[in-house]
Amino acid sequence: ETGVTQTPRHLVMGMTNKKSLKCEQHLGHNAMYWYKQSAKKPLELMFVYSLEERVENNSVPSRFSPECPNSSHLFLHLHTLQPEDSALYLCASSPYIGSEGKGNEQFFGPGTRLTVL
Amino acid sequence: GQNIDQPTEMTATEGAIVQINCTYQTSGFNGLFWYQQHAGEAPTFLSYNVLDGLEEKGRFSSFLSRSKGYSYLLLKELQMKDSASYLCAVREGKLSFGAGTTVTVRA
Repeated sequence: ETGVTQTPRHLVMGMTNKKSLKCEQHLGHNAMYWYKQSAKKPLELMFVYSLEERVENNSVPSRFSPECPNSSHLFLHLHTLQPEDSALYLCASSPYIGSEGKGNEQFFGPGTRLTVL
Repeated sequence: GQNIDQPTEMTATEGAIVQINCTYQTSGFNGLFWYQQHAGEAPTFLSYNVLDGLEEKGRFSSFLSRSKGYSYLLLKELQMKDSASYLCAVREGKLSFGAGTTVTVRA
């Protein structure tokens, strides 16, 4: 059992719906991440937060809107998604942002399997 | 951007050894990670290399050659539970992942 939890685990939504994904980490980490994982493709980094401040936004469409109210919680708000957005959305956390290596590995949550109809 | 290449699939027999190669092309380098991901589960950290050489951790070892842009993950004494996807990830500022190698262990 990891220290990163995500809800819901599965979500089916229509293109006109609005939904939110939630991530919570119980590890005392300062950095949190959203990734998208599509079948047979590399994990794609979407957003990075450090101490509730967004530090990276990898050209993600505006229909994905992140929110980080505190260092333990991260949300991904979804609206007017497209079928190609169907994927596994993974949240991760690490002690801090930066290149310091050992001990700064990312811990992943179990993901939300999203299907857009 | 980064190119991170690893084989798509590998199959091996229980008790055997399998080596998963990863090559990368980056303008900077601050470490290479290997993660294991079982189907339907979160990726979990396996190993980290930032200096050249071999890091051994039980049945799993990871090797890095920075000059060649090359790493491998070696899985020894394979067990059925080792059937999973193995992700190579390189840090250049942010962490970038390869597409993963699906390893199937057969009895």
